[in-house]
Amino acid sequence: GDSVTQMEGPVTLSEEAFLTINCTYTATGYPSLFWYVQYPGEGLQLLLKATKADDKGSNKGFEATYRKETTSFHLEKGSVQVSDSAVYFCALSGATNKLIFGTGTLLAIQP
Amino acid sequence: GAGVSQSPSNKVTEKGKDVELRCDPISGHTALYWYRQRLGQGLEFLIYFQGNSAPDKSGLPSDRFSAERTGESVSTLTIQRTQQEDSAVYLCASSLQGGGNYGYTFGSGTRLTVV
Repeated sequence: GDSVTQMEGPVTLSEEAFLTINCTYTATGYPSLFWYVQYPGEGLQLLLKATKADDKGSNKGFEATYRKETTSFHLEKGSVQVSDSAVYFCALSGATNKLIFGTGTLLAIQP
Repeated sequence: GAGVSQSPSNKVTEKGKDVELRCDPISGHTALYWYRQRLGQGLEFLIYFQGNSAPDKSGLPSDRFSAERTGESVSTLTIQRTQQEDSAVYLCASSLQGGGNYGYTFGSGTRLTVV
């Protein structure tokens, strides 16, 4: 069945560092891909999405490109801030219309 | 309403008791999902309702778990004879229709603690 694999955390970076969180997926057909973020003590929020191959989703300085050839949707940000500290979840929605999540990656940014 | 509303926000129950969790989706959203998030873990799919179609119950972990939805409105998730391993945050999400082309909006969750 459909699945999402993302890099394990925690990921600890200094402020202004470059961020990459890897995400790969397995799905039949052409799923939609998402990154969700969960800030400490808050609910799950949609960060960005891409619905077809080569689409780039972007929001708050974060970007991810839907790569069909490598079945990947890696999350990147050029310069992270302390306020970006959160848990990041990669997810897909495929033929079953269910949102399937990765296990989450804890990101900690140090000043 | 403006968002997905879940109640209660916190529930502490004794092992063996039944609990009922409620989700009010965004008005007009035909798709509704329940997920479970154990401490420090990812989101585990439980059940999916789409309009009047038969729900996808493939994620329910045991027959102690059941869920209902009245039309395209409120849903309740019931856990019978709760066990300590049921302790988790239970999240509800709704979408205009099922599938990735429409956004999924999550509620703030119900934190269930079984003691």
